[in-house]
Amino acid sequence: DGGITQSPKYLFRKEGQNVTLSCEQNLNHDAMYWYRQDPGQGLRLIYYSQIVNDFQKGDIAEGYSVSREKKESFPLTVTSAQKNPTAFYLCASSVRTANYGYTFGSGTRLTVV
Amino acid sequence: GEDVEQSLFLSVREGDSSVINCTYTDSSSTYLYWYKQEPGAGLQLLTYIFSNMDMKQDQRLTVLLNKKDKHLSLRIADTQTGDSAIYFCAENADSSASKIIFGSGTRLSIRP
Repeated sequence: DGGITQSPKYLFRKEGQNVTLSCEQNLNHDAMYWYRQDPGQGLRLIYYSQIVNDFQKGDIAEGYSVSREKKESFPLTVTSAQKNPTAFYLCASSVRTANYGYTFGSGTRLTVV
Repeated sequence: GEDVEQSLFLSVREGDSSVINCTYTDSSSTYLYWYKQEPGAGLQLLTYIFSNMDMKQDQRLTVLLNKKDKHLSLRIADTQTGDSAIYFCAENADSSASKIIFGSGTRLSIRP
């Protein structure tokens, strides 16, 4: 079945460490996105990529980095520069124009301990 | 700029209809969407409507679009406990950039 997979579901990080969240899709979608969701709040766009080897900053890119070396994969690294990284992270993908909406993964909950 | 607004909470009795409302600012939006998020899960696309349509019905779901007022609504008929979730309204403001703008979500709770 086609879909988008995020791993791990839960992740714990010590302060000062970098951590990488995985996002893989087999939908043959060109575009991929990373969102952050805080409790009781909506979605905030971190980074997005419309094509391999290219990506753009979203509204809250500071403290995060991404790569897009393969069409299927769009990993997100939460760096030690991110001051408040505890949140629920959602990855999504779409066709280039996104006319039919995004397909979301099931999310990764990151907790800093 | 682009903005999508919706109320934060809605409580309805089981078996009644739920109506979740949304307003958007970008008149050039071509597609508008409703997503559902259950606790601890990702967002699931419920339905979408093209901007040249006024209404779309899909089983218990009815979407109404008023382009003049930039108002979108989602009606859920015969609301069940499984409909408890957060519902997000969204617009495709710029298809060339494949960027969808999401509202903050409406939390729907069902009372017996």
